[in-house]
Amino acid sequence: EVQLVESGGGLVQPGRSLRLSCAASGFTFDDYTMHWVRQAPGKGLEWVSGISWNSVSIGYADSVKGRFTISRDNAKNSLYLQMNSLRDEDTALYYCAKGEYSYMDVWGQGTTVTVSS
Amino acid sequence: QSALTQPASVSGSPGQSITISCTGTSSDVGSYSLVSWYLQHPGKAPKLMIYEVTKRPSGVSIRFSGSKSGNTASLTISGLQAEDEADYYCSSYAGTSTLVFGGGTKLTVL
Repeated sequence: EVQLVESGGGLVQPGRSLRLSCAASGFTFDDYTMHWVRQAPGKGLEWVSGISWNSVSIGYADSVKGRFTISRDNAKNSLYLQMNSLRDEDTALYYCAKGEYSYMDVWGQGTTVTVSS
Repeated sequence: QSALTQPASVSGSPGQSITISCTGTSSDVGSYSLVSWYLQHPGKAPKLMIYEVTKRPSGVSIRFSGSKSGNTASLTISGLQAEDEADYYCSSYAGTSTLVFGGGTKLTVL
């Protein structure tokens, strides 16, 4: 069974950092592009970042560029999102998703990040 | 990276067909045949319904279909069923390894 399990969310003060992880199983991890997508409470989906299978192609939403860094460890079947200089508006449920560079076909259940003083 | 434009809500009766539009620009929807559609039930993770404008993943009902003309993509659901009631999001590739979502459309089955 294809499974994505996010972790690392929590309550953090503005300006601080947090690292999210996503553990993948049930598929050949290094065959696929991986994405982070977030959803603020009561709001719509926002694509955050994506990384190709070999980490060569990486993209970020303008709202996080320069603050967030996506990475992956294919040996560990894991995806990461390093989030620095966190802002109130980064508060959201963060989903890890598997797919191709233009879509996501399997999603995790998400991990919640709350930025508040 | 401006969000794609979707109607906030649409509704239809069981058995009817509805269409949800998704309007972008010549930098995203208009430039690439890489529009996807997602369904999200309350409290659940999104589910891929259509990718690359018209393609259906395995297991998705043939009642769901996609199309595109110019800068606007559309999702059509035929033979509406109660279980189709959900939020629907479009997404498009926007170049340089970036994606953009629409604001979402709430579908109500009357």
